[in-house]
Amino acid sequence: QKEVEQNSGPLSVPEGAIASLNCTYSDRVSQSFFWYRQYSGKSPELIMSIYSNGDKEDGRFTAQLNKASQYVSLLIRDSQPSDSATYLCAVLMYSGGGADGLTFGKGTHLIIQP
Amino acid sequence: KAGVTQTPRYLIKTRGQQVTLSCSPISGHRSVSWYQQTPGQGLQFLFEYFSETQRNKGNFPGRFSGRQFSNSRSEMNVSTLELGDSALYLCASSAGTGVEAFFGQGTRLTVV
Repeated sequence: QKEVEQNSGPLSVPEGAIASLNCTYSDRVSQSFFWYRQYSGKSPELIMSIYSNGDKEDGRFTAQLNKASQYVSLLIRDSQPSDSATYLCAVLMYSGGGADGLTFGKGTHLIIQP
Repeated sequence: KAGVTQTPRYLIKTRGQQVTLSCSPISGHRSVSWYQQTPGQGLQFLFEYFSETQRNKGNFPGRFSGRQFSNSRSEMNVSTLELGDSALYLCASSAGTGVEAFFGQGTRLTVV
């Protein structure tokens, strides 16, 4: 069973601090990794994509990937109350027939405290 | 640039009926994927279409089917609806497999 694991939270972070969200995945051959943000009652919104080991920065967001450890994370700097949402980690898994489509974790509920 | 459009936004159906959902991808995107989101199971992959061909399929019964037209618009059909099919159905548009995918607003299906 190919899986993506996330801590469901809630993760509570003070405003202005760094929020750190983590994700592990089971498929060693995965090459594409994504972070989505989902507000209650809304559809997921793509925040970051990462394909290579290391860090990728976009504004206040940094995605980190370590394929050897099968670990991907998202850092949110200078957290704002508007960052309060559920963050979904998505990994493109593969099977004998090729890509299986994105496998999502259950999401981490992030709360930014004013 | 227009985003991903899903219609209808809300549906209420009775057990045993069938339903068709529609998705228009971002202009130029040829890949459309469908996902089911429920509180218990989270987001689960249903299937992906690329250039009118189903590329892969998730672990769902045959009651769930789809198709894609030459203009990349896609439809998803669920036959013989069950109560457990109540969910948010999401369509994602991308330029291809493995690259960034963008979701539509979803269709909220309620089966009674």
